[in-house]
Amino acid sequence: QKEVEQDPGPLSVPEGAIVSLNCTYSNSAFQYFMWYRQYSRKGPELLMYTYSSGNKEDGRFTAQVDKSSKYISLFIRDSQPSDSATYLCAMKGGGFKTIFGAGTRLFVKA
Amino acid sequence: EAGVAQSPRYKIIEKRQSVAFWCNPISGHATLYWYQQILGQGPKLLIQFQNNGVVDDSQLPKDRFSAERLKGVDSTLKIQPAKLEDSAVYLCASSLVLGQGPEAFFGQGTRLTVV
Repeated sequence: QKEVEQDPGPLSVPEGAIVSLNCTYSNSAFQYFMWYRQYSRKGPELLMYTYSSGNKEDGRFTAQVDKSSKYISLFIRDSQPSDSATYLCAMKGGGFKTIFGAGTRLFVKA
Repeated sequence: EAGVAQSPRYKIIEKRQSVAFWCNPISGHATLYWYQQILGQGPKLLIQFQNNGVVDDSQLPKDRFSAERLKGVDSTLKIQPAKLEDSAVYLCASSLVLGQGPEAFFGQGTRLTVV
């Protein structure tokens, strides 16, 4: 079993839709939960991160962590074509090493 | 603020040849990471430096890969000899302090193709 599982998609939605991206994990030592956006031929860009559990909101983006279920989510409201990218979840624990999911490819159609 | 700089952007080599990648982190960032990202996968940590000391190289194939960070600033990652399965994007990232928060800054990566 991989430490971090993420559906690779692709996920295709119309412009303006609410997008839900998810990851599950197995290591209860993870403390930092991150979401990165990666455009084609670019490096990952940190979107949001949460320490421990709970929700965090930043503009159109909301990150949720449910440690009891070992499940994290990223919601994108009012999705735009410019949101089309690969979204990587990532997690980090006491050993400081970050583990990334495989990424979900998102396409937002105008 | 200048970002993480990497060079070259692209490299094509034949198997069994050697190759080197260079990274210049954000000024003042003590922690530097090298990641390997194979097509369709998430980045995988190869090596992590704190200043010029190695913190974690448990996933570095040491029989062919080496990395150094002289003077705690720039870093180079070398592969010798290269194999077909080394074809990937090699990403460098830096952080201000080890262990406090996520890797916030990645370079654009070096895309390596081994033929």
